[in-house]
Amino acid sequence: NAGVTQTPKFQVLKTGQSMTLQCAQDMNHNSMYWYRQDPGMGLRLIYYSASEGTTDKGEVPNGYNVSRLNKREFSLRLESAAPSQTSVYFCASSEAGLGGDQPQHFGDGTRLSIL
Amino acid sequence: KNEVEQSPQNLTAQEGEFITINCSYSVGISALHWLQQHPGGGIVSLFMLSSGKKKHGRLIATINIQEKHSSLHITASHPRDSAVYICAVRDTDKLIFGTGTRLQVFP
Repeated sequence: NAGVTQTPKFQVLKTGQSMTLQCAQDMNHNSMYWYRQDPGMGLRLIYYSASEGTTDKGEVPNGYNVSRLNKREFSLRLESAAPSQTSVYFCASSEAGLGGDQPQHFGDGTRLSIL
Repeated sequence: KNEVEQSPQNLTAQEGEFITINCSYSVGISALHWLQQHPGGGIVSLFMLSSGKKKHGRLIATINIQEKHSSLHITASHPRDSAVYICAVRDTDKLIFGTGTRLQVFP
């Protein structure tokens, strides 16, 4: 069982470059999330999608855009990368949205460095 | 003050020891999650609880809603338990994560 798959696992960008982080889940979950994890801080929500066709901002959305392409896929785009976006990014999914008490299933993360 | 605080930040133990990791929170919640982050970075959900106690294998999670406190216990710890353990609470429409407790278990 693949669960939640993120690509790429590692990426180095130069300031100003753009890129898209891909995420796909095969558990037929309705809700998907993008988090970033920085040293000394807890995971912080960037964007989430409660269901196919909807997206909402999380705690730290500035500098990012998302697309819920279909029920399986939720991508995160950095239009003009900045060094402050150097982080580890996690995609997650759950059966219910944030208003429901369901465990979240996480991908393995994407380690992104911006020079 | 962080809304979710974990203690200790770092913990070392000898194989076989009983481990306790604590989580205190300051917001009203409906559920608390315990997650495990492996040294390779992957995150796995261990427990979700809103009252009482849950047990899975050598792991036990308890929560006291009145005291706004949860504990994660590991019995008969093993080097493979070495990981970062993260507490998260659901406050209305978002999860608030603690910064994690790094556990190292030595043979």
